[in-house]
Amino acid sequence: RKEVEQDPGPFNVPEGATVAFNCTYSNSASQSFFWYRQDCRKEPKLLMSVYSSGNEDGRFTAQLNRASQYISLLIRDSKLSDSATYLCVVNQAGTALIFGKGTTLSVSS
Amino acid sequence: GAVVSQHPSRVICKSGTSVKIECRSLDFQATTMFWYRQFPKQSLMLMATSNEGSKATYEQGVEKDKFLINHASLTLSTLTVTSAHPEDSSFYICSARGQGKNGYTFGSGTRLTVV
Repeated sequence: RKEVEQDPGPFNVPEGATVAFNCTYSNSASQSFFWYRQDCRKEPKLLMSVYSSGNEDGRFTAQLNRASQYISLLIRDSKLSDSATYLCVVNQAGTALIFGKGTTLSVSS
Repeated sequence: GAVVSQHPSRVICKSGTSVKIECRSLDFQATTMFWYRQFPKQSLMLMATSNEGSKATYEQGVEKDKFLINHASLTLSTLTVTSAHPEDSSFYICSARGQGKNGYTFGSGTRLTVV
């Protein structure tokens, strides 16, 4: 079983749509949770950290459910520039980041 | 902010040759360096973790004699792919963590093609 599982997509949505990505992780000892964004052939970039209380950054909302080991990302009012692969990432303090396979989003006009 | 410079960004080499990839932390001391590789449509897979001045710890299935990691200084870590074969063609990327820092800074990645 993979440590971090995501639906690979692709999700094809029109501009302005709301889209949600889900992720599950297997290691209950995981302590930190993130969503990263990766554009084609580029390094991953931190989108946002994810906290148990849920957190929002503009059009992006992340949720964490530790009991069910589930993480989500909601993107509202999708823009063309949101087209990318979204990586669900977990780790324990000080150790390497563990990446999911990523969910591909394509936003069209 | 923290910056990690990774070179080369792209390399094509012949089968059987060796390739060295460098990651330099420009404005902080990278006490730990993580090396990943990513095959097309796959996740970033951790290859090894290196702490400055120590031998690297390799993940299961990663040959330490094939992927040589050196982390002799706090600002430089290298990954050498020895006797490269076409199946080693991949995107290699480093991620550095500094002492007392919570963040992870990624290099820009190296796309290796072995022909």
